[in-house]
Amino acid sequence: NAGVTQTPKFQVLKTGQSMTLQCAQDMNHNSMYWYRQDPGMGLRLIYYSASEGTTDKGEVPNGYNVSRLNKREFSLRLESAAPSQTSVYFCASSNSGRTQYFGPGTRLLVL
Amino acid sequence: GENVEQHPSTLSVQEGDSAVIKCTYSDSASNYFPWYKQELGKRPQLIIDIRSNVGEKKDQRIAVTLNKTAKHFSLHITETQPEDSAVYFCAASLNDYKLSFGAGTTVTVRA
Repeated sequence: NAGVTQTPKFQVLKTGQSMTLQCAQDMNHNSMYWYRQDPGMGLRLIYYSASEGTTDKGEVPNGYNVSRLNKREFSLRLESAAPSQTSVYFCASSNSGRTQYFGPGTRLLVL
Repeated sequence: GENVEQHPSTLSVQEGDSAVIKCTYSDSASNYFPWYKQELGKRPQLIIDIRSNVGEKKDQRIAVTLNKTAKHFSLHITETQPEDSAVYFCAASLNDYKLSFGAGTTVTVRA
């Protein structure tokens, strides 16, 4: 089992460009999450999907959209990237009330 | 929403000594409190968690205590080893999905 995988590992964007971060899990988990991690601020929840077909906003959703494509896949889209979105993005998955397993992360630099 | 504060932000201990990290939370309805360890350049991984119906939980050299009245919980690492050097994050959750993380504690174990 690969667990939680993310692509790409690293990306550089110019201000105003768009991109989609991909996440997939092979643990048959119902719930999936997107976090961003910035120095000194811990992990902040952007969006989550409690189950296939549902998505909800987290703590910092502005500037992002998500799609729960199927049970395995949960993508995060930046429509018009801004320097403030420079961060490390982590995807995670879990079954309800249980451990969240994180992916390896995507480092995003917006110039 | 839930607000989690974590102290100290950095902690340096001599190998073999104990390390204690403390977190406070704002919402008395929070009922799930996990701790994650993140090594440099790696993904966060759960090391221990506790639910609000339990006051203390131990796993080998790691223990977590919860004081619901005071709304704080702590991570205790005994007999620290070099491999314990990492960033540790506490988190609190009102439901099974939305984790609110503390800002993290960088632990350095001196040989």
